[in-house]
Amino acid sequence: DAKTTQPPSMDCAEGRAANLPCNHSTISGNEYVYWYRQIHSQGPQYIIHGLKNNETNEMASLIITEDRKSSTLILPHATLRDTAVYYCIHSGAGSYQLTFGKGTKLSVIP
Amino acid sequence: DSGVTQTPKHLITATGQRVTLRCSPRSGDLSVYWYQQSLDQGLQFLIQYYNGEERAKGNILERFSAQQFPDLHSELNLSSLELGDSALYFCASSVEIDGGGAYNEQFFGPGTRLTVL
Repeated sequence: DAKTTQPPSMDCAEGRAANLPCNHSTISGNEYVYWYRQIHSQGPQYIIHGLKNNETNEMASLIITEDRKSSTLILPHATLRDTAVYYCIHSGAGSYQLTFGKGTKLSVIP
Repeated sequence: DSGVTQTPKHLITATGQRVTLRCSPRSGDLSVYWYQQSLDQGLQFLIQYYNGEERAKGNILERFSAQQFPDLHSELNLSSLELGDSALYFCASSVEIDGGGAYNEQFFGPGTRLTVL
């Protein structure tokens, strides 16, 4: 099973950047790193993915280390609506199912 | 709104019964995935269908089965229900572009909350 390690919880002040770390030391060369989040009991929501290079979209930035064994998701200006459980996952072609760990529960504090 | 629909939203039934959960993927998506989320097990992959055929199996019990129809909607059948089957069941869909190294963004539906009494 593809496994990642994330801190169980983090707090972030509203308006500040939230930096969520993830260790994925078992990642294979052709596997992508994905980040999803789940707000309360809603369906998980895709945030961003990356292979080797850093990536940015309208929601977040993803920083992947050169050895690809860890990554950091950055929410540049956290809002109360960003309070959720954030999951870091690695998965590749030929194995598209997502293996969710326990994730990081991010609490954005006013 | 992810574009993935699931029905029903809530389902309450008794042990030993059988239920069917329905999922309609996003328009154009050929792959459908089913996940189970329970309090003690977290989010677990159950099964994947691609264009009508079973593609991958995860931790799916023999009492559970699924299928994907020609119009690409999918159904998850749960039989001989037990108290422990109470959970949120999510369906997700993706385009799934084959070709080595392709990424695969999945879009999740709102889920069906199953309560077995």
